[in-house]
Amino acid sequence: SYVLTQPPSVSVAPGQTATITCGGNNIGGYSVHWYQQKAGQAPVLVVYDDSDRPSGIPERFSGSNSGNTATLTISRVEAGDEADYYCQVWDSSGDHVVFGGGTKLTVL
Amino acid sequence: QLQLQESGSGLVKPSQTLSLTCAVSGGSFTSGGSSWGWIRQPTGKGLEWIGYMYHRGTTHYNPSLKSRVTISGDRSKDQFSLNLSSVTAADTAVYYCARVVVVAGAHVYMDVWGKGTTVTVSS
Repeated sequence: SYVLTQPPSVSVAPGQTATITCGGNNIGGYSVHWYQQKAGQAPVLVVYDDSDRPSGIPERFSGSNSGNTATLTISRVEAGDEADYYCQVWDSSGDHVVFGGGTKLTVL
Repeated sequence: QLQLQESGSGLVKPSQTLSLTCAVSGGSFTSGGSSWGWIRQPTGKGLEWIGYMYHRGTTHYNPSLKSRVTISGDRSKDQFSLNLSSVTAADTAVYYCARVVVVAGAHVYMDVWGKGTTVTVSS
């Protein structure tokens, strides 16, 4: 089964840039999607298909994907960005969705 | 604006069947070739995909749950359901329903989520 690896935690000061990685074997060949989950709330899609943003998601959220690493970048981080972030792909070999373990973003 | 709302039993006894329903409002269960899915999250842990169904009935399930899971839809009521049999304490979690976007078979993601419902498995 395909495995996605995320760092458990990332910390960043307000106004700085946060980078959250998602590692997987040849993940560049997959379409990667990212979700934000604030405490006590349902997840929200923030990036889909590697780098597209749904309507209503600020331009500060961007994504990239190449080789063995996909990256979610949050520019000009705000206190309200503090949340858990999950990456996700579709594993076509097994016909199922795979989530990364999640990364807790702390805004210092 | 599409909204999803989970409902069902919040307490299930071990070995019994967990049953949840997701009501679709602000849109149609059958519109645009929509697909619908379930995801769960044990307290303090990450997201676990359960499965999804295309509105015409085709299903895809998590291999680790496949033998116990059934996802089905009711077009007349604009809702879909999850049944998980032979539950144990390990099935205790918040259960989310979601609209699943499927493009060309390999672009699969969840763009609208319900608020989630807590299910506890205990005698």
